[in-house]
Order: sequence, then C-alpha cells, then structure tokens
Amino acid sequence: NAGVTQTPKFQVLKTGQSMTLQCAQDMNHEYMSWYRQDPGMGLRLIHYSVGAGITDQGEVPNGYNVSRSTTEDFPLRLLSAAPSQTSVYFCASRSIVGDTEAFFGQGTRLTVV
Amino acid sequence: AQSVSQHNHHVILSEAASLELGCNYSYGGTVNLFWYVQYPGQHLQLLLKYFSGDPLVKGIKGFEAEFIKSKFSFNLRKPSVQWSDTAEYFCAVNADYGNNRLAFGKGNQVVVIP
Repeated sequence: NAGVTQTPKFQVLKTGQSMTLQCAQDMNHEYMSWYRQDPGMGLRLIHYSVGAGITDQGEVPNGYNVSRSTTEDFPLRLLSAAPSQTSVYFCASRSIVGDTEAFFGQGTRLTVV
Repeated sequence: AQSVSQHNHHVILSEAASLELGCNYSYGGTVNLFWYVQYPGQHLQLLLKYFSGDPLVKGIKGFEAEFIKSKFSFNLRKPSVQWSDTAEYFCAVNADYGNNRLAFGKGNQVVVIP
C-alpha cells in the first residue's frame, strides 16, 4: 500500500510565486489534513477536510488554500509565497470510523527566498 | 480547543538510561491520545495510542505510556533506551467531539549518546 503520498519532497520558491503541494491517499480515509512543522513549534494544523467538498481552517490557515474534490486528493495551495512559509509540510489522513490513528506522508521541505 | 503541553524540549541521555517524557492536555472530555516518533529526516510514525480500556498502553520498540485521567496526562516511558531511539517525539490529542482535529505538542528532541 502506498499510504499517504506527498509531492514534491523539496521545493524552493521565490517570494510571490505560487505553487501547489500535492497529497494523495489510497486508504479511503474521510479525514485529511495539512500541518506545518517548524523548529520548537511542533506541528500546527493549517487546513483539514472531513470529506469531499468539505474543508475547514486549522490554527494557521493564512496564506494557504485547500480544496477536496475527491476522497483521495487534498492539495495545498500557496497563492503568493512568503519567507515565513519556509517550513516542512506534512499531509495526514485518518478514518473517522473506529479507533484509528493518523497516517502521515513523507513531508515536503519548502524554502521561500 | 484542546491544547497539548510537552516539557523539556531537549533531552540528552546515555544508552541504557530510562526515558520518561511528559504530556499534559487541556480538554476535559473524552480524548484519544497518541505518541508519534519522527526519526531524523523521516515522517511521523505511530508509537502507541490510547482510545479506551487499560490505561497502560504498550507500543512498538519497548515504549509504553500511561493515561492518568485525573492528571490529564499521557506520559511516555522506556526503561532502557538505545542509540536508535534518537528522534523527536510528539504527543497528540484528539478530543472526541466530532471534528477529528488532532492537536500536537511541541515535541521532545531526544538524543541518546552511545
């Protein structure tokens, strides 16, 4: 099983550029989420979705957009990248049925210069 | 919203020493609790989880954690660490009120010296 797949693994952007971080899962999980990881800050929730067509903001949503057109995919868009968005981004998915944990992708290391 | 506190962000210890990492959360209702580990350069992997039942939970690689509801705590322990336990450890809490959000602590960076 592929699990949660994120692309790209590394990316360098110039300030003001836009890009989309891709996330796909093959476990038919309803819940998907995006986190950013910064030193000493742990993981902070950016956006999440409980199913296709449903998204909501986490604790640090500014500067990011998401959409969920299918169960499998949950892309994260940076419309105008800023140096403050330099971080490692993780996508996660989990089932909302039963006692299950979240599964994480390998991460995307983004640098904005 | 629930919050998660982890103290002693940097922990350095020698092989064979015992490890205990504290985790406290703020939510007063039913919670699901997790410890994740992140080895250098890798993604987060589940160490152990608590949903209900026996409050002493055993996970992979000899780790265990104890849920103490009265103290809002879910501390992680390992009796004898190895060099390969060098990693960052995150406590996470999912409050059982329906939105499935998972809140993380700031992590403990553990370095085990051979």
